[in-house]
Amino acid sequence: QVQLVQSGAEVKKPGDSLRVSCIPIGYIFISHGISWVRQAPGQGLEWMGWIDTYNSNRKYAQKFQGRLTLTADASTTTVYMDLRSLTSDDTAIYYCVRDHNYVPDYWGPGTQVSVSS
Amino acid sequence: QTVVTQEPSVTVSPGGTVTLTCASSTGAVTSGNYPNWHQQKLGQPPRALIYTTSNKQSWTPARFSGSLLGGKAALILSGAQPEDEAEYYCQLFYGGYWVIGGGTKLTVL
Repeated sequence: QVQLVQSGAEVKKPGDSLRVSCIPIGYIFISHGISWVRQAPGQGLEWMGWIDTYNSNRKYAQKFQGRLTLTADASTTTVYMDLRSLTSDDTAIYYCVRDHNYVPDYWGPGTQVSVSS
Repeated sequence: QTVVTQEPSVTVSPGGTVTLTCASSTGAVTSGNYPNWHQQKLGQPPRALIYTTSNKQSWTPARFSGSLLGGKAALILSGAQPEDEAEYYCQLFYGGYWVIGGGTKLTVL
């Protein structure tokens, strides 16, 4: 049974950095990439980026270039999403999504992130 | 910047049929955009429904289907049920990047 386990809620201050983890369960880690999608309060979904867990090839949405880093650690079967220079606009729920061959299928439960001074 | 546009809100009667659409600012949506559709109910994470235009996930009810229609991606719901009330998002691929539409709030009333 495929599941994506995400790290817990975070409270940050403006200018801080954020790390959210995602641990896929129920399939071979390197067989499927992972996308990250966020959702601000009351808003729609926003795709942030994708990482190939096999070779760490990455794609980032232009909006997050330079501020977002995705990493995949096969030894711990963990994918990390690092976002720097946080502002209040980064307050959102962050989801990891299994994404392979143009098929985003399993969504994680989400990680609530609040950024406030 | 590529924009994916969906109807903000649509209402359907119980048992009725409704089509939600997904348009691209770059032109016609094609199979090369690998259209995906997701459903999100209030307070829950999204759930994938349709992938690569018209393929159903194993958990997708048969009343949902996907297609390309008039240059747009379409999600068709035939025989709407009260539990189908949700936000629906389309997701399109643009050569390495995904863009997700703004979502359609579907009301079953």
